Amino acid sequence: EVQLVESGGGLVKPGGSLRLSCAASGFTFSSYSMNWVRQAPGKGLEWVSSISSSSSYIYYADSVKGRFTISRDNAKNSLYLQMNSLRAEDTAVYYCARDQNRYWGQGTLVTVSS
Amino acid sequence: DIQMTQSPSSLSASVGDRVTITCQASQDISNYLNWYQQKPGKAPKLLIYDASNLETGVPSRFSGSGSGTDFTFTISSLQPEDIATYYCQQYDNLPHTFGQGTRLEIK
Repeated sequence: EVQLVESGGGLVKPGGSLRLSCAASGFTFSSYSMNWVRQAPGKGLEWVSSISSSSSYIYYADSVKGRFTISRDNAKNSLYLQMNSLRAEDTAVYYCARDQNRYWGQGTLVTVSS
Repeated sequence: DIQMTQSPSSLSASVGDRVTITCQASQDISNYLNWYQQKPGKAPKLLIYDASNLETGVPSRFSGSGSGTDFTFTISSLQPEDIATYYCQQYDNLPHTFGQGTRLEIK
């Protein structure tokens, strides 16, 4: 059974940093691209970032480019999102999802507030 | 960026009704379109991929059609458990943009 479990969310002050993790199981992690998608409270879904299976290709939404860094460790079956210079508008539930978003984690809430 | 215009933004229907949601892309995306269902407090669930293919385990009352710029999502006979918000998403070009969502309620 495919499982994606996010962790690392929490309350952080504006300008602060946070690192999200996504632990994958039930499939060959190293064979699939992975994505981060977020959802602000009461709002719709927003694609944040994608990384190819071997980390050769990495993409970001304009809203996070230069502040967020996606990475993965195929040996640990894990996906990461390093978030720096956080802003109030980054407050959201962050989901990791596999390739074409067939599988999603349960999400982790990031709150940016003073 | 490709804009996805989804309509309506909300919809009220009765159990047993046929429900249709549309999604229009700002440029040709072939059939690179997903439809998701999201219930409150839960992650989105993939229902339809490649515009018209039913994901494994999803009831056959759900269907999708279209290609190019115009797409349709249909529930043939609305059930109480279908109350949710539905989203389309294109994956032809990055960023993989989502529609604004359609909140479906029971009348």
